[in-house]
Amino acid sequence: SYELTQPPSVSVSPGQTASITCSGDKLGNKYVSWYQQKPGQSPVLVIYQDTKRPSGIPERFSGSNSGNTATLTISGTQAMDEADYYCQAWDSSTAVFGGGTKLTVL
Amino acid sequence: QVQLQESGPGLVKPSETLSLTCTVSGGSINSYYWSWIRQPPGKGLEWIGYIYNSDTNYNPSLKSRVTISVDTSKNQFSLKLSSVTAADTAVYYCARDYSSVAGRAIGYWGQGTLVTVSS
Repeated sequence: SYELTQPPSVSVSPGQTASITCSGDKLGNKYVSWYQQKPGQSPVLVIYQDTKRPSGIPERFSGSNSGNTATLTISGTQAMDEADYYCQAWDSSTAVFGGGTKLTVL
Repeated sequence: QVQLQESGPGLVKPSETLSLTCTVSGGSINSYYWSWIRQPPGKGLEWIGYIYNSDTNYNPSLKSRVTISVDTSKNQFSLKLSSVTAADTAVYYCARDYSSVAGRAIGYWGQGTLVTVSS
């Protein structure tokens, strides 16, 4: 079965740039979505089709996808961005989620 | 704005069938990918399956135990998971794709409902 691998945790200082990676075999050939989940809340879509932002998502969120790695980048990270982040791709007709990355802003 | 709301028992006995319903408001249940996703306490997200225009697709690891169906007259879709064990204890989310041209990205989520499997 297809697998997506994320680092368990990433730390960033306020105002700096955070990068969260997601790795999978030939991932660049698939569309990747990213979700933000804060404690006790439902996930929120922050990036879809590798690079697109849904309406209402701040411009500081961006994405890229090439080769075997997709990256979620948060520029000018704010305290409110502290959350768990999940990547997701479709392997044929099956949705696959990465294990999640806890972003700490300190 | 599309809204989704899960409903169903919060406690299910081992070996029984978990049944949940998702009620959709603010939009038609016709078309779009309607999914169920779960999250065990303190763990990550796991996709269970979707229904799209009466066609279904399930996570291979759960396929033998899962049924997703839709009731268009009530604007609802449902999940049944049979032969549950403690490992099926999780928050269960119903969800919908963001738009028909968004590559099936999951853009709308219910608030989630905790289902505990215990005798």
